Amino acid sequence: EDQVTQSPEALRLQEGESSSLNCSYTVSGLRGLFWYRQDPGKGPEFLFTLYSAGEEKEKERLKATLTKKESFLHITAPKPEDSATYLCAVQAVYNFNKFYFGSGTKLNVKP
Amino acid sequence: ETGVTQTPRHLVMGMTNKKSLKCEQHLGHNAMYWYKQSAKKPLELMFVYSLEERVENNSVPSRFSPECPNSSHLFLHLHTLQPEDSALYLCASSHAGQMNTEAFFGQGTRLTVV
Repeated sequence: EDQVTQSPEALRLQEGESSSLNCSYTVSGLRGLFWYRQDPGKGPEFLFTLYSAGEEKEKERLKATLTKKESFLHITAPKPEDSATYLCAVQAVYNFNKFYFGSGTKLNVKP
Repeated sequence: ETGVTQTPRHLVMGMTNKKSLKCEQHLGHNAMYWYKQSAKKPLELMFVYSLEERVENNSVPSRFSPECPNSSHLFLHLHTLQPEDSALYLCASSHAGQMNTEAFFGQGTRLTVV
């Protein structure tokens, strides 16, 4: 069964303290892995798509990487405005119509 | 206007009411989705329409009824809901079948059933 597990559930960092969020996945043929940011009471905001192992994408302080079993979202020198819930989702080759989401990691960056 | 727009943003309804949620996308996508988001649970896929045809229906109770009149509009009709249906309802769209298949979400409708 296709599955996505994110860890940790919550993460508290001091401003400037770099860390990584993990997304482990099980899918029968990965078509794409997606990272989203969600602020309270709002819809998820698209960040990155990764398609194959070894691929990396960067955007400001965020860098996403992908292996055959997991993805990491690295946050370098975070700022308080990076505080949000980060969601990971996968899409299978055999089914374009489904995105399987993890439960998310709630990140809190203290000034 | 661009992106995915949902209305209303907030809705309070009684268990005997009938209401509808509306979603409109301006991205030229051909697939639209309804998701339910409850506290501390992963997003739950409710319905998927691809090329205006319903292709996924994840055992959702019949008190939720989707409608997709064209590739830009999606509705979720609600009737005789239960308090446990209170949640954030999210609409999303994507371009099914293309290389860039990421989904884009609206801001959601916060539904409270009293």
